[in-house]
Amino acid sequence: EAGVAQSPRYKIIEKRQSVAFWCNPISGHATLYWYQQILGQGPKLLIQFQNNGVVDDSQLPKDRFSAERLKGVDSTLKIQPAKLEDSAVYLCASSLGTLTDTQYFGPGTRLTVL
Amino acid sequence: AQKVTQAQTEISVVEKEDVTLDCVYETRDTTYYLFWYKQPPSGELVFLIRRNSFDEQNEISGRYSWNFQKSTSSFNFTITASQVVDSAVYFCALSSNYGGATNKLIFGTGTLLAVQP
Repeated sequence: EAGVAQSPRYKIIEKRQSVAFWCNPISGHATLYWYQQILGQGPKLLIQFQNNGVVDDSQLPKDRFSAERLKGVDSTLKIQPAKLEDSAVYLCASSLGTLTDTQYFGPGTRLTVL
Repeated sequence: AQKVTQAQTEISVVEKEDVTLDCVYETRDTTYYLFWYKQPPSGELVFLIRRNSFDEQNEISGRYSWNFQKSTSSFNFTITASQVVDSAVYFCALSSNYGGATNKLIFGTGTLLAVQP
């Protein structure tokens, strides 16, 4: 069974530019998560989707971050404009759908903002 | 509030030594789940184990074992006869319904394990 796919794996941009990340969850997984992991810290949830609806986006900086999951499968996370403090690894995870399910993570996208 | 504390920032051992990674958690929920993930240098978080709050049985999987103690709010992870391939950052995490629909994972800050040959 294929795991969670993410692209790109690495991205370097200048501050104030925009960037987008893509995630394809494990087939059949209804719930999709985006986490931000700053160097030396544990991942922090940015947004959680159940199918194509948002369950939790309380920690998403909505003035610059946006995310969508239009058909309940793939998802994109966008940052516009980027700031230096957005440098981090962005991890996508998916789970079957219930509250008790294990989350499986993709390889992440390492973003560097110069 | 929910919180996970991994007090050990870095641990260095020599191959074949046993090593225990500590995890202490805080939650007001009676139903919750505890996890351990491994993050090798490649960056991907690899799921190791999930435990629910009603199951305090210790678990062993090969060289890995986990000790869950509700009385001390701890969920410690032991690697027996460590190997160089065990070198990674290990994260302990907590999730619970906490009165809503979200089951986000609350992670600790991780423990970097370096196994020297």
